[in-house]
Amino acid sequence: NAGVMQNPRHLVRRRGQEARLRCSPMKGHSHVYWYRQLPEEGLKFMVYLQKENIIDESGMPKERFSAEFPKEGPSILRIQQVVRGDSAAYFCASSPAVEASNQPQHFGDGTRLSIL
Amino acid sequence: AQTVTQSQPEMSVQEAETVTLSCTYDTSESDYYLFWYKQPPSRQMILVIRQEAYKQQNATENRFSVNFQKAAKSFSLKISDSQLGDAAMYFCAYRGNTPLVFGKGTRLSVIA
Repeated sequence: NAGVMQNPRHLVRRRGQEARLRCSPMKGHSHVYWYRQLPEEGLKFMVYLQKENIIDESGMPKERFSAEFPKEGPSILRIQQVVRGDSAAYFCASSPAVEASNQPQHFGDGTRLSIL
Repeated sequence: AQTVTQSQPEMSVQEAETVTLSCTYDTSESDYYLFWYKQPPSRQMILVIRQEAYKQQNATENRFSVNFQKAAKSFSLKISDSQLGDAAMYFCAYRGNTPLVFGKGTRLSVIA
């Protein structure tokens, strides 16, 4: 499967725990985007990363949320001290490096995070 | 800031008929791209069709076509010969110099 791979597909955490969501972009893609989808809502942009660089984090909450895309390995979205309001579907998308702004983003299947 | 509005929370269509989903957007940019994504119950986000703002010709992909009215900032999706598998949430999205901005979606039901 050469598509965007996200894991886990479902993640359950208790309030106060940490959640780590992983995303491996499509082969040949070096741009990664994270989005959050609340129930009955559209996707909301969170952060845009290239390898080892955060390009745009204007959609990230100021506290508890962080993202990285290391030189090796998947991109990680980390949520510390989770609260009930963090329950949502988190989608990762990737696009090629060349002229990323006009390339369609290819989405993973998402991680559904549930907070007990 | 750019905004995308989908004014129809829900739509339904008879199988084999045609349906049009509405989308309007607000921007001051002249160069941008517009997309329609489909999200079936499996929750995947599937790109349906894409339109470059500098192109006057409306994009078409098999049974899916758009009516792009740049002056009116309108980007509707027409689905012809609707099939049961078309039932899904449909999201309109905008991309200019900012990351993708999505509308709230339209839930499409297809009636056999």
